[in-house]
Amino acid sequence: EPEVTQTPSHQVTQMGQEVILRCVPISNHLYFYWYRQILGQKVEFLVSFYNNEISEKSEIFDDQFSVERPDGSNFTLKIRSTKLEDSAMYFCASSEDGRGTDTQYFGPGTRLTVL
Amino acid sequence: EDKVVQSPLSLVVHEGDTVTLNCSYEVTNFRSLLWYKQEKKAPTFLFMLTSSGIEKKSGRLSSILDKKELFSILNITATQTGDSAIYLCAYMDSNYQLIWGAGTKLIIKP
Repeated sequence: EPEVTQTPSHQVTQMGQEVILRCVPISNHLYFYWYRQILGQKVEFLVSFYNNEISEKSEIFDDQFSVERPDGSNFTLKIRSTKLEDSAMYFCASSEDGRGTDTQYFGPGTRLTVL
Repeated sequence: EDKVVQSPLSLVVHEGDTVTLNCSYEVTNFRSLLWYKQEKKAPTFLFMLTSSGIEKKSGRLSSILDKKELFSILNITATQTGDSAIYLCAYMDSNYQLIWGAGTKLIIKP
């Protein structure tokens, strides 16, 4: 069964460093998403992406964040200068066509720890 | 302000019991409501509900949506220890964003 994959599973970085989290969505999916979940808190929407551009973004997704689809398979989230409060699980998701009747499938997540 | 409220926040039952998890939401442009199960890491999809009153069923799990009263329930019958998880409810808004509840932590004791 096709699945969303994410790498790395765990990344530890120093405050102020840049990190890139990688995702490979399901191959025939067209809509991509990033979410984060701070330990013990709700899952929060960050951004959705379609046709090589951002469709929607939340207020969390400030100038420190960027997303890119550098090739036909990868979807990346970059955090330019990490802060302690960026420590969280980051989930990538994809859906076939992004309509309201469509399901988002989640990857296993990347645990980001900022020291 | 919470737009998706799940109750209870946590629940401990014995194997074999039936549980009902609740999700109420407040939204202006509703598209669909989804239930996910979160164990150690990523949420895994359970159900998507778009129409009121139509029960969706998968094995021992079932769910139904009431769009008039703005809530959904997730039922699990004959619970097993493997059902222990956090159950998340989310609605999809007009911008196709998923807005999540805080989850119900379900613990099934043997």
